[in-house]
Amino acid sequence: GAGVSQSPRYKVAKRGQDVALRCDPISGHVSLFWYQQALGQGPEFLTYFQNEAQLDKSGLPSDRFFAERPEGSVSTLKIQRTQQEDSAVYLCASSLDGAGGNEQFFGPGTRLTVL
Amino acid sequence: DAKTTQPPSMDCAEGRAANLPCNHSTISGNEYVYWYRQIHSQGPQYIIHGLKNNETNEMASLIITEDRKSSTLILPHATLRDTAVYYCIVRVPYYGQNFVFGPGTRLSVLP
Repeated sequence: GAGVSQSPRYKVAKRGQDVALRCDPISGHVSLFWYQQALGQGPEFLTYFQNEAQLDKSGLPSDRFFAERPEGSVSTLKIQRTQQEDSAVYLCASSLDGAGGNEQFFGPGTRLTVL
Repeated sequence: DAKTTQPPSMDCAEGRAANLPCNHSTISGNEYVYWYRQIHSQGPQYIIHGLKNNETNEMASLIITEDRKSSTLILPHATLRDTAVYYCIVRVPYYGQNFVFGPGTRLSVLP
């Protein structure tokens, strides 16, 4: 079956613009995570959803970052008034949970460049 | 902060076994050891995980020391496609528990 997909794969924004990054998790996966990966670093946790509920947003770096998953499937990460330090790869991961295990399956990421 | 330490880089000859070490001296009793890898321009890919027994799957073997303070990921016959950054992570397998990635080990498989 299809894996986790993300769109767009690449996004260039001017400083101050708002951006929206989309994640389509594997169908039926309960948990969804967003991570931010700076160049040369490992991914860092941003936020976690269980179905439509955002249960952990402790990793969001500022109130300019907002995520939602209104129907418990597709998720959108929105960044308002982008800054140069927001330039990174944004990764989405999903897991089935329950008896299906809770290994996380990652999408290819969206590379955001803020000029 | 990541609870694991790994060498920043390693080389391996194609066709030979790649042995990637990981130290996790502060691992808790309920934490598992997970390994992921990230090939250039892709998202991390799950490889294997274990608690205390050695594990093997179609991709790799995981050897965990008896005291659980370190482990080794073994790729038995490395190919050029195994060139990637390999992450060792300790984590409790609870729902919603995120992964804390360190910088990983950059493995280069050489022809």
